[in-house]
Amino acid sequence: NAGVTQTPKFRILKIGQSMTLQCAQDMNHNYMYWYRQDPGMGLKLIYYSVGAGITDKGEVPNGYNVSRSTTEDFPLRLELAAPSQTSVYFCASSWDRDSYEQYFGPGTRLTVT
Amino acid sequence: QQQVKQSPQSLIVQKGGISIINCAYENTAFDYFPWYQQFPGKGPALLIAIRPDVSEKKEGRFTISFNKSAKQFSLHIMDSQPGDSATYFCAARRWAVSNFGNEKLTFGTGTRLTIIP
Repeated sequence: NAGVTQTPKFRILKIGQSMTLQCAQDMNHNYMYWYRQDPGMGLKLIYYSVGAGITDKGEVPNGYNVSRSTTEDFPLRLELAAPSQTSVYFCASSWDRDSYEQYFGPGTRLTVT
Repeated sequence: QQQVKQSPQSLIVQKGGISIINCAYENTAFDYFPWYQQFPGKGPALLIAIRPDVSEKKEGRFTISFNKSAKQFSLHIMDSQPGDSATYFCAARRWAVSNFGNEKLTFGTGTRLTIIP
């Protein structure tokens, strides 16, 4: 199994541009998450999904959108990129609501200039 | 209150020494306390976890100590090795209050551990 995969690994965006961060998992997990990691701030939850077609906001959803059309994929959309969105983005998945273990992808480092 | 406070921010330990990272929480609704290890350029990975009805859990050189009354828990790494150099995150899981929801992890701010020869 590849686990959780993310593309791209790195990206530089200009202010106002848009992009989609891709995330896929091949473990048949129902739950998927998007986090951002900023230095000294830990991991903050952006959006999560409990299954195909069901998503909800996390702690820091402003400026982002998600969709979940399949169990495997959970893309994160950035509209009108701002410098405050410069961060490392991690996608994660877990089996079900009783699982405390989340499996993380390798991350996408995004710089907005 | 969802916050999990972690200290220190960075830690340097000599090879063979004991590394200790501390976390504190306020929300008594947290029901599980995992620790994640993150190497540079990688995503976090689960290291060890403990339930609040247990005071200590040990897996190899890694031990979690849990003090429910003080709302504190800590990670101890015995005989620390250079390969343990990584960033460590404590976390706490809150059981969802609705059937629709799911558990979310609240992460501490991380501790960058460096083991020197």
